[in-house]
Amino acid sequence: GAGVSQSPRYKVAKRGQDVALRCDPISGHVSLFWYQQALGQGPEFLTYFQNEAQLDKSGLPSDRFFAERPEGSVSTLKIQRTQQEDSAVYLCASTLTGGGRRGNTIYFGEGSWLTVV
Amino acid sequence: SQKIEQNSEALNIQEGKTATLTCNYTNYSPAYLQWYRQDPGRGPVFLLLIRENEKEKRKERLKVTFDTTLKQSLFHITASQPADSATYLCALYSGNTGKLIFGQGTTLQVKP
Repeated sequence: GAGVSQSPRYKVAKRGQDVALRCDPISGHVSLFWYQQALGQGPEFLTYFQNEAQLDKSGLPSDRFFAERPEGSVSTLKIQRTQQEDSAVYLCASTLTGGGRRGNTIYFGEGSWLTVV
Repeated sequence: SQKIEQNSEALNIQEGKTATLTCNYTNYSPAYLQWYRQDPGRGPVFLLLIRENEKEKRKERLKVTFDTTLKQSLFHITASQPADSATYLCALYSGNTGKLIFGQGTTLQVKP
């Protein structure tokens, strides 16, 4: 596709429910990132993939958060037993290769807005 | 600890004036710094990248400076327009895995 595509765009989950957020990166992009953005804050790093390898998951806030990219393209961020503090926008981004280290432009999707009630 | 700080207060300016946004960082030695624009309900959009050996970078009405001694970047929008109203984020590469770390963003409001 022309850009990074995320779905669902909006999700309301009841506390304790599991959710799965999908990211379709730009075709051919090797690196994929997930960020969490709370209202009025900058994006907070969650995890980074290079192809199917998850090279950095240091930003995942708890073991309820899990991300995968099994075939090196589409990625899913899963949140188990959602809690109210998980309410945020979840942004996916992709870049051609090397991530931010090589100064490549990073392209963001529009985000998945999660509200936990 | 590593920190990236941007003006937390919104910046309100009159159309036609120059907007200047600040990004300060501590405990980083970034090879370069990036600026993004984010509109409400949208993802961030890349604007400019400046490398550590570049003092200044320009793109149309945008100008970015990078002072690695002061650990500061300034982002200028000249001849500002109401359409420039948005939140502007600075970001630094951190670590060996290529992740970008963002500041909290500064919201710019340009009044006609």
